[in-house]
Amino acid sequence: EPEVTQTPSHQVTQMGQEVILRCVPISNHLYFYWYRQILGQKVEFLVSFYNNEISEKSEIFDDQFSVERPDGSNFTLKIRSTKLEDSAMYFCASSDMYGYTFGSGTRLTVV
Amino acid sequence: RKEVEQDPGPFNVPEGATVAFNCTYSNSASQSFFWYRQDCRKEPKLLMSVYSSGNEDGRFTAQLNRASQYISLLIRDSKLSDSATYLCVVNRDDKIIFGKGTRLHILP
Repeated sequence: EPEVTQTPSHQVTQMGQEVILRCVPISNHLYFYWYRQILGQKVEFLVSFYNNEISEKSEIFDDQFSVERPDGSNFTLKIRSTKLEDSAMYFCASSDMYGYTFGSGTRLTVV
Repeated sequence: RKEVEQDPGPFNVPEGATVAFNCTYSNSASQSFFWYRQDCRKEPKLLMSVYSSGNEDGRFTAQLNRASQYISLLIRDSKLSDSATYLCVVNRDDKIIFGKGTRLHILP
């Protein structure tokens, strides 16, 4: 079964550092997403991406965040100058007409 | 008002029992509806889509009432492996929106 792959599975970073979370969506999917889940809270939408541009972003997705599809397979989320409150699980997802598939997530811990 | 609301639970249910979860959504423009399952510290996984006519998949039955903006999930003959958090999800525009989830514990 096709899957969405995320790396790394865990990332620990110091406050103020930049992190890049990587995702390989399912190859024939056209829509890509990043969601995050702070421990004990709900899964929150960050951004959707289609046709090489952001199609929608939430108010969480401020200037600290950016996304990129640098080649035909990877989809990355960059967080500049991380804050303690950025600690969360970050899920990448991709979708086609049949539904959404989520990656297993990257657990980001900012210390 | 939250866009997707669920009773957070936990629901503690003996094995073999039937359990029902409800969910309401606030945006009438929501286009499609799903139940996802999330195990502890894992990604959400699609359990089933929800159709207006109601649909069943084995022990699971989902219902949608667009007029009341209400979605339900029924689990029959519950198993220990059904223990998880059940997420009500609605699709609007270019994204899906999650409820906070209902925790279910099946007791042996």
